[in-house]
Amino acid sequence: GAGVSQSPSNKVTEKGKDVELRCDPISGHTALYWYRQSLGQGLEFLIYFQGNSAPDKSGLPSDRFSAERTGGSVSTLTIQRTQQEDSAVYLCASTTSFYNEQFFGPGTRLTVL
Amino acid sequence: QKEVEQNSGPLSVPEGAIASLNCTYSDRGSQSFFWYRQYSGKSPELIMSIYSNGDKEDGRFTAQLNKASQYVSLLIRDSQPSDSATYLCAVREYGNKLVFGAGTILRVKS
Repeated sequence: GAGVSQSPSNKVTEKGKDVELRCDPISGHTALYWYRQSLGQGLEFLIYFQGNSAPDKSGLPSDRFSAERTGGSVSTLTIQRTQQEDSAVYLCASTTSFYNEQFFGPGTRLTVL
Repeated sequence: QKEVEQNSGPLSVPEGAIASLNCTYSDRGSQSFFWYRQYSGKSPELIMSIYSNGDKEDGRFTAQLNKASQYVSLLIRDSQPSDSATYLCAVREYGNKLVFGAGTILRVKS
């Protein structure tokens, strides 16, 4: 079966523009996570979806960031009015296991000029 | 703020040696622990998970967990140059979030 997929793989945008990043989790996985990894840094949790429950948005750094998950599958992370500090690799992970073994997609490298 | 601490390295070992990577965590109630490998420019790849005190072996990899000391480690036997990567320790928080350490850079020299 296919792993987690993300698109686009790279995105270059101008400061102030909006961007949408897409994540397609492993089929059957009920939980989906978004993380951000800046150059040389660790993984920063952004948001978490579990089934039909309200998402845990506690990691979103500002109200410019939002995410949705449609039909319990595909998720879109939207960043409005991008800033240069938003430049990072955005990673999506999914899991179905109670023990939370998360499997990551290849990431989207976002560059804000 | 729950924390996961790792030595940033780099840890340099000769080919064929045992590499020992360590991780401590602050949340005494944590129950699930994971090791991920991340090659430069790539996403993290799950290599081991451990839930009970003691050792868990998978091929050349052994994860060790000591909940009393809040310590988890990863041993890589017969290290190969292809093992050179950043190793991330992750701990499951209450509520299903994973908290990641900053990672240890491992360099295996041939």
